[in-house]
Amino acid sequence: GAVVSQHPSRVICKSGTSVKIECRSLDFQATTMFWYRQFPKQSLMLMATSNEGSKATYEQGVEKDKFLINHASLTLSTLTVTSAHPEDSSFYICSAKQGHWNTEAFFGQGTRLTVV
Amino acid sequence: RKEVEQDPGPFNVPEGATVAFNCTYSNSASQSFFWYRQDCRKEPKLLMSVYSSGNEDGRFTAQLNRASQYISLLIRDSKLSDSATYLCVVTGSGSARQLTFGSGTQLTVLP
Repeated sequence: GAVVSQHPSRVICKSGTSVKIECRSLDFQATTMFWYRQFPKQSLMLMATSNEGSKATYEQGVEKDKFLINHASLTLSTLTVTSAHPEDSSFYICSAKQGHWNTEAFFGQGTRLTVV
Repeated sequence: RKEVEQDPGPFNVPEGATVAFNCTYSNSASQSFFWYRQDCRKEPKLLMSVYSSGNEDGRFTAQLNRASQYISLLIRDSKLSDSATYLCVVTGSGSARQLTFGSGTQLTVLP
């Protein structure tokens, strides 16, 4: 299957700082990328849908000014957690799809963020 | 009501057992259906797509009932390596076809 690379896999940051997470599709062009958050023992919750060259669509309850998403190219999307707080500590996972229609989504390896 | 609901689990079964997971979805306009597997602290990986006609992949059988909005996954002759969380996933009807995940069912296969 296609490869999606997410970086970093683990990050620890101080409260109040910002953290950038990168998601790259290595061998295909991703028209759409998705960002998820997963708290312990819970399922993945969609945060936002990112389309190349346009603004991300955020799910209800997700602060777009706190979670900045940039999808500058067909192979790269970034999520920046601004002014991180301990409650932002979570597992963040991106996924990418090649097309819009009923295609498989490929997941990055996830980023475990710990805010201290 | 959640968009995708799954058996809460956890399921603890002996090796060789047959185990079935169920899932219901609320949006009748949902387009595609999948089972993903997620190991602890790892990203989800596609296990299999689910088709209306039902499909089988080795020891795994998936079925979809659109009328009842119900999806199932059957694992036969379970192995220790099958221990994981199984996520029922449904694509939305929007243009982006984003995935909506069930809360997952945890399976532990015991020796």
